[in-house]
Amino acid sequence: DQQVKQNSPSLSVQEGRISILNCDYTNSMFDYFLWYKKYPAEGPTFLISISSIKDKNEDGRFTVFLNKSAKHLSLHIVPSQPGDSAVYFCAASEVGGTSYGKLTFGQGTILTVHP
Amino acid sequence: DVKVTQSSRYLVKRTGEKVFLECVQDMDHENMFWYRQDPGLGLRLIYFSYDVKMKEKGDIPEGYSVSREKKERFSLILESASTNQTSMYLCASSFLRGTLYEQYFGPGTRLTVT
Repeated sequence: DQQVKQNSPSLSVQEGRISILNCDYTNSMFDYFLWYKKYPAEGPTFLISISSIKDKNEDGRFTVFLNKSAKHLSLHIVPSQPGDSAVYFCAASEVGGTSYGKLTFGQGTILTVHP
Repeated sequence: DVKVTQSSRYLVKRTGEKVFLECVQDMDHENMFWYRQDPGLGLRLIYFSYDVKMKEKGDIPEGYSVSREKKERFSLILESASTNQTSMYLCASSFLRGTLYEQYFGPGTRLTVT
């Protein structure tokens, strides 16, 4: 039972354009969402996060949008750069209690940015 | 600067062998995790530990065990390796900053079981 889903296995965009990566979740207990970026032969690195009390969080070229009613979030990268080419994972967590920060990940989306 | 290290980057083992994957973090984090990453499946949690000698099963614990004798070290054990355990194994540690956990990953161990 995949509680976090990234339905697009891959995305290809031109340098300078917008990249939009999507993620859906089913567990209503999730209240903290994160995006991780992973290069081959490296561990995932944290990119940006959003709490369920917000609907948008921005950090430079990266913006995450959360639509709680639709259980959907998206990551926008503007403008896209060739160095952004990587696998992007969406992750979700329950805050506090005995969650210990456990993350549930989506399947990942391979982003390729062409020069 | 947080550092999570894993004992091997690449490992090749035979079916039936006992395999130990070691993970060390240098930031005194309470929580440590083992995931495996497979194409099309993302990262799946195998086990995690929230304190020394404490462990809890994740989503796919079958065929694995773990050990946490010291706070900085978390070991994943494959009691009898099988070919379906060929995967990328990722260790992570996390701590509570305010009300939210920050999780940091090691570089991964690519395990091949032949």
